[in-house]
Amino acid sequence: EAQVTQNPRYLITVTGKKLTVTCSQNMNHEYMSWYRQDPGLGLRQIYYSMNVEVTDKGDVPEGYKVSRKEKRNFPLILESPSPNQTSLYFCASSFAQTYEQYFGPGTRLTVT
Amino acid sequence: KNEVEQSPQNLTAQEGEFITINCSYSVGISALHWLQQHPGGGIVSLFMLSSGKKKHGRLIATINIQEKHSSLHITASHPRDSAVYICVVSGSEKLVFGKGTKLTVNP
Repeated sequence: EAQVTQNPRYLITVTGKKLTVTCSQNMNHEYMSWYRQDPGLGLRQIYYSMNVEVTDKGDVPEGYKVSRKEKRNFPLILESPSPNQTSLYFCASSFAQTYEQYFGPGTRLTVT
Repeated sequence: KNEVEQSPQNLTAQEGEFITINCSYSVGISALHWLQQHPGGGIVSLFMLSSGKKKHGRLIATINIQEKHSSLHITASHPRDSAVYICVVSGSEKLVFGKGTKLTVNP
């Protein structure tokens, strides 16, 4: 089954404790991206990757890191999480940004 | 001014009504997407358009490139259509999202 998986689905953590949210797709997609969704602000792009070893900043990259060592995986790293990073995070993939986007189920992160 | 504006922000309809959600954008685009987000949070892609019109079941999406405008229509609306509908435009490499239209269809 074609899918985008994210782990964990729910996470409560404390300020400053490094964490990684994994994202994996099985569709051989080149384009992958991370978004955060906040009430009243909608979805905003954090980082995107056009292909392996190619990543670039989206609209809200501060406080986040990503890597794309393999085509299928695109982890999101929060080196020192802060409460303002409490949000709902989505990973997505597609053949390109102009193609149909496939979204993961979301990760609800709470930073206290 | 946001690059992608959706209207209305909220919409309540009775079952069976014809629904229209609008999206206007101010940037040059390669494609426009319509997404649906159900109350449980999952997001699915409904349409990807670069010109003209597409139809899938009771859903119809249109785009007018010259006017920088797209519409999503739902015919014979049903309570299961209740969701947030999001317009997304892709220009260069980034995707730019509208803030969504929350649709509630009452039985």
